[in-house]
Amino acid sequence: GNSVTQMEGPVTLSEEAFLTINCTYTATGYPSLFWYVQYPGEGLQLLLKATKADDKGSNKGFEATYRKETTSFHLEKGSVQVSDSAVYFCALSYSNYQLIWGAGTKLIIKP
Amino acid sequence: GAVVSQHPSRVICKSGTSVKIECRSLDFQATTMFWYRQFPKQSLMLMATSNEGSKATYEQGVEKDKFLINHASLTLSTLTVTSAHPEDSSFYICSALTPAGGGDTQYFGPGTRLTVL
Repeated sequence: GNSVTQMEGPVTLSEEAFLTINCTYTATGYPSLFWYVQYPGEGLQLLLKATKADDKGSNKGFEATYRKETTSFHLEKGSVQVSDSAVYFCALSYSNYQLIWGAGTKLIIKP
Repeated sequence: GAVVSQHPSRVICKSGTSVKIECRSLDFQATTMFWYRQFPKQSLMLMATSNEGSKATYEQGVEKDKFLINHASLTLSTLTVTSAHPEDSSFYICSALTPAGGGDTQYFGPGTRLTVL
């Protein structure tokens, strides 16, 4: 069946470090791929998305590229800030719009 | 744009009572809304898909008579937890589908923390 696998957290980095959070998926066809972020005490927010192979989603310095050959959608940021501390969820969806979620990766950025 | 609100944000109730949670799309019309549960340190579990003017579609294992969903208008869906028990305590989150952003993007409410004593 369809599934999303994320790297386990927590991921702890120092400020200005390079960030990668791995996400791979199992799916048939061509789903859309998403990264959502949940800041402490807040609701989920869409961070970025990509709808077809080789698309790159980007927002707030974060990027992720839809790689069909490796079935991956890794999240990257060149220089993280303390304010990026949150839980990050990778997800996919098909035309019925139901999201299939990864388990989430907690990111902790230390000053 | 694309703001979704939920009310209440927190609710504590006694076992056996019913609790209603509202989900509103504030600046857009949502023909489809989704209801999720989120357990501590876990991902979201889809409970049901709510379409305006029709019956909700429940996921396998979700009791439709216990979790009543009403999508009465294009901006409002409600989830009623009937005869709540302590095991129903959870974080309930709604989302709304908007045509903006390609039509397949869900925008989430801030969630409702339900505690059943």
